[in-house]
Amino acid sequence: NAGVMQNPRHLVRRRGQEARLRCSPMKGHSHVYWYRQLPEEGLKFMVYLQKENIIDESGMPKERFSAEFPKEGPSILRIQQVVRGDSAAYFCASSPLTEATEAFFGQGTRLTVV
Amino acid sequence: QQQVKQSPQSLIVQKGGIPIINCAYENTAFDYFPWYQQFPGKGPALLIAIRPDVSEKKEGRFTISFNKSAKQFSLHIMDSQPGDSATYFCAAPRPYGNNRLAFGKGNQVVVIP
Repeated sequence: NAGVMQNPRHLVRRRGQEARLRCSPMKGHSHVYWYRQLPEEGLKFMVYLQKENIIDESGMPKERFSAEFPKEGPSILRIQQVVRGDSAAYFCASSPLTEATEAFFGQGTRLTVV
Repeated sequence: QQQVKQSPQSLIVQKGGIPIINCAYENTAFDYFPWYQQFPGKGPALLIAIRPDVSEKKEGRFTISFNKSAKQFSLHIMDSQPGDSATYFCAAPRPYGNNRLAFGKGNQVVVIP
């Protein structure tokens, strides 16, 4: 059973471009969480999704950021018109049917905005 | 918004020593307090977690001590090894879910051979 798969591992974007980060949860997991980690900081919760539904987006910036978890395919975190401050490591985690169980993290996508 | 504060920021210990990392939280309404371990370039991995109905939990060389009245919990690494060198994060649930976590800023632990 493969772990949580994130791609790409590293992403470089110029200011103003769009960044798309993908997360494939572990097999059988229907809950996905996205976190952002700035240098020298802990992880900050961004959004929690179940298949086709956004359950909690209280940690998402109000503009330029969006997330989806379609019925088929990976979860996508989309950042439009990136700015230098978006440079960070973005981690995805997944958990099985119930949120009360442990969530497993992927290796992250390191976004650099130049 | 749940806040968690970790101390000290970094620790250097000799092999075999017992680094202790402390974590303070604010909201008493939650029932799940995990520690995560993160190696450079990797995602965080759950190390050990505790629920507030017990004061201590051990898993291998890792022990969590929980002080509910002080709203603190600590991680002890017994007989530390160079392979334990990593960043350790404590976390507490944000409303409303055990996997929507508020993380501390992390403690870097270095174990010298």
